[in-house]
Amino acid sequence: AQSVAQPEDQVNVAEGNPLTVKCTYSVSGNPYLFWYVQYPNRGLQFLLKYITGDNLVKGSYGFEAEFNKSQTSFHLKKPSALVSDSALYFCAMGAGGFKTIFGAGTRLFVKA
Amino acid sequence: EAQVTQNPRYLITVTGKKLTVTCSQNMNHEYMSWYRQDPGLGLRQIYYSMNVEVTDKGDVPEGYKVSRKEKRNFPLILESPSPNQTSLYFCASGGGRSSSGANVLTFGAGSRLTVL
Repeated sequence: AQSVAQPEDQVNVAEGNPLTVKCTYSVSGNPYLFWYVQYPNRGLQFLLKYITGDNLVKGSYGFEAEFNKSQTSFHLKKPSALVSDSALYFCAMGAGGFKTIFGAGTRLFVKA
Repeated sequence: EAQVTQNPRYLITVTGKKLTVTCSQNMNHEYMSWYRQDPGLGLRQIYYSMNVEVTDKGDVPEGYKVSRKEKRNFPLILESPSPNQTSLYFCASGGGRSSSGANVLTFGAGSRLTVL
């Protein structure tokens, strides 16, 4: 069965430090993977996606994600965190057509 | 501006009082969907629609109805709300080739519903 897991409910990082938000997936075949971000009182916003090709995907607001097929992971990264990056982050997987399977979400706190 | 608009954004109601949450998109997307977001559970799909007059159940459809009479609108109807439907609801739409599986969704700002 297809699934997405975000093993951390919350990630805390100091401003200026690198951040990583973890995501693992389970699927037979090649995955389509996404990251979305949800700021307070806002809907989810698309950050980036992996379809095929380069394992390092660059997205909005300086975020990038690394696809690792052997570890079935798609971790979200940023070299230098900002306080304004504090939000709820969702990893997701395309499950055919428009169907999208979402992880439970990881709350990122960036402390000044 | 391309967007998905939901109303109301906040609603407190009582058990059994029918309510409708509206959703409208201005991107001419064929696909629209409703999700509910609950802590620790992520987003779960309630209903979706591939086109006008075409709707289907998602993962948690019980207690909800939808309709798709026009391409731009996809209202969510709670005929007899119960407290376990207290949640944050999101409408989303998507365009492009549905066969690709790599389609990005555009979300509304959310509707927080409390059923007493």
